[in-house]
Amino acid sequence: EAQVTQNPRYLITVTGKKLTVTCSQNMNHEYMSWYRQDPGLGLRQIYYSMNVEVTDKGDVPEGYKVSRKEKRNFPLILESPSPNQTSLYFCASSLGTGVAEQYFGPGTRLTVT
Amino acid sequence: AQSVTQLGSHVSVSEGALVLLRCNYSSSVPPYLFWYVQYPNQGLQLLLKYTSAATLVKGINGFEAEFKKSETSFHLTKPSAHMSDAAEYFCAVSEWDDKIIFGKGTRLHILP
Repeated sequence: EAQVTQNPRYLITVTGKKLTVTCSQNMNHEYMSWYRQDPGLGLRQIYYSMNVEVTDKGDVPEGYKVSRKEKRNFPLILESPSPNQTSLYFCASSLGTGVAEQYFGPGTRLTVT
Repeated sequence: AQSVTQLGSHVSVSEGALVLLRCNYSSSVPPYLFWYVQYPNQGLQLLLKYTSAATLVKGINGFEAEFKKSETSFHLTKPSAHMSDAAEYFCAVSEWDDKIIFGKGTRLHILP
């Protein structure tokens, strides 16, 4: 089954404790991205990757890091989480940009206390 | 740069009534336009997309949207609402070889 998986689905952590949210897709997609979803703000792109070893900042990259060492994986790293990073996070993949359909993971709900 | 505006963060309709969710876009070139749906506790999934082949686009679950260049609109409609349509709907725009931009979303409530 074609899918995007994220882990964990739910995470509660404390300020400053490094964490990683994993994302994996099995569709051989080149384009992957991370979004955060906040009430009233919709989806905002954090980082994206056009291909292996190619990553770039989205609209809200501060406080986040990503890596793309393999085509299927695109982890999101919070080196020192803060309460304002409490949010719902989605990973997405697609064949490319423009007309390509985005395939979304199920989401990771992160709470930073 | 492209942008998208969804009118109404919450819309309520009665079961069986017409659903109309509004979306206006801004783009300097012919855009690609999308509607995505998010059911509770799930990720987004594609409802339909406009790629310039036809101005009236039919999607899944009985939804359709019409591209109106003169009004820069891409409103989503469904003739008869069902309880299962309760979800959040996102309009999105992209340009050739560029990233997709999402609207802020409209939460659709279905009244019994």
